[in-house]
Amino acid sequence: RKEVEQDPGPFNVPEGATVAFNCTYSNSASQSFFWYRQDCRKEPKLLMSVYSSGNEDGRFTAQLNRASQYISLLIRDSKLSDSATYLCAVNPYSGTYKYIFGTGTRLKVLA
Amino acid sequence: EAGVTQSPTHLIKTRGQQATLRCSPISGHTSVYWYQQALGLGLQFLLWYDEGEERNRGNFPPRFSGRQFPNYSSELNVNALELEDSALYLCASSLVGGKETQYFGPGTRLLVL
Repeated sequence: RKEVEQDPGPFNVPEGATVAFNCTYSNSASQSFFWYRQDCRKEPKLLMSVYSSGNEDGRFTAQLNRASQYISLLIRDSKLSDSATYLCAVNPYSGTYKYIFGTGTRLKVLA
Repeated sequence: EAGVTQSPTHLIKTRGQQATLRCSPISGHTSVYWYQQALGLGLQFLLWYDEGEERNRGNFPPRFSGRQFPNYSSELNVNALELEDSALYLCASSLVGGKETQYFGPGTRLLVL
């Protein structure tokens, strides 16, 4: 089993739709979780950190489910500009640094 | 405030040559991380430097090495280049190592012919 897994997609959704992605992780001791957005041939940009209580930033909501070991990202009212690859990042923090990224979920928002 | 910068943006080398990639972190950040992203693949962790020391490295051969300078900038060296080293090399920085959020530079595209 991979340490961090994401459905590669693509998720093709119409404008205005709500879409959700999950990211599962294998190390139950993981402490830090993040969602990044990566546009084609560009660097990943931090979208949001994921806290135990969940967090929301406008149309984006991130949640952590420790019992089932996954994080989620919900995008409401999808815009064409949301089309990108969404990467999750997990820090297992096994005594030393090791950031692990998922391979990303590709989202296409269609007009 | 300036973000993470990397140079060069593109680099073309031939097999067997050496490549040197450079990264300047966000001002005030002491940790620098290097990642490799081959086409169609995820980010693979290469190296972590903090306060001038190598703190951790990923599953890459020793021909991938680097260093961090007193001003916290960093250099990644790849010796004896192979075709499969062709990738986007991303540098990230954070305030301190460990759990802190990482911010990425624009990357260096390395093509090995």
